[in-house]
Amino acid sequence: EDKVVQSPLSLVVHEGDTVTLNCSYEVTNFRSLLWYKQEKKAPTFLFMLTSSGIEKKSGRLSSILDKKELFSILNITATQTGDSAIYLCAVVVRSGANNLFFGTGTRLTVIP
Amino acid sequence: SAVISQKPSRDICQRGTSLTIQCQVDSQVTMMFWYRQQPGQSLTLIATANQGSEATYESGFVIDKFPISRPNLTFSTLTVSNMSPEDSSIYLCSAKRGLDQPQHFGDGTRLSIL
Repeated sequence: EDKVVQSPLSLVVHEGDTVTLNCSYEVTNFRSLLWYKQEKKAPTFLFMLTSSGIEKKSGRLSSILDKKELFSILNITATQTGDSAIYLCAVVVRSGANNLFFGTGTRLTVIP
Repeated sequence: SAVISQKPSRDICQRGTSLTIQCQVDSQVTMMFWYRQQPGQSLTLIATANQGSEATYESGFVIDKFPISRPNLTFSTLTVSNMSPEDSSIYLCSAKRGLDQPQHFGDGTRLSIL
């Protein structure tokens, strides 16, 4: 059974802290891994990772994939209250429609 | 990225009724999907909306309960039929331009059934 596991489930930090969110997966036909930020309803796309060891970066956020160990991390440096959200990891598992298989998410709360 | 508009954004419905959710994308996309997010849970794929043909449903979801249309490349509808309180969820439309492109999501429809 395909599985995507995120940890921790929730995290509370103070503004300025650096956080690392984890995503591990066990799937039969891996194509890519995506990170999303969900604040209210709509998940907002952050990164798409297909190759191991290549860091993707956008401002204070960065992410990297390890296809040998089957995990990815999302780093957020100098956190701000606006980073408070649920961060979702999703894996594309089928070569047909390429739909997404989501993890349960990590709820990040940044305290002023 | 494609801009995806969903309506209604929320609704409160009576048990036994049906509601149709509309999804409009601002540019042509190859794939459109419908997801459900139950309270406190992650997203679950309901079906892939296929242009001009029947949708492809995931295990646990059937056409009689969740009929889907996609008459063209930029528009799709999801109907939640004969609703019960267990159908109270956020329903999300998503789309992607190509096979190895990221999926983007609409703002979602928050549905509550009394």
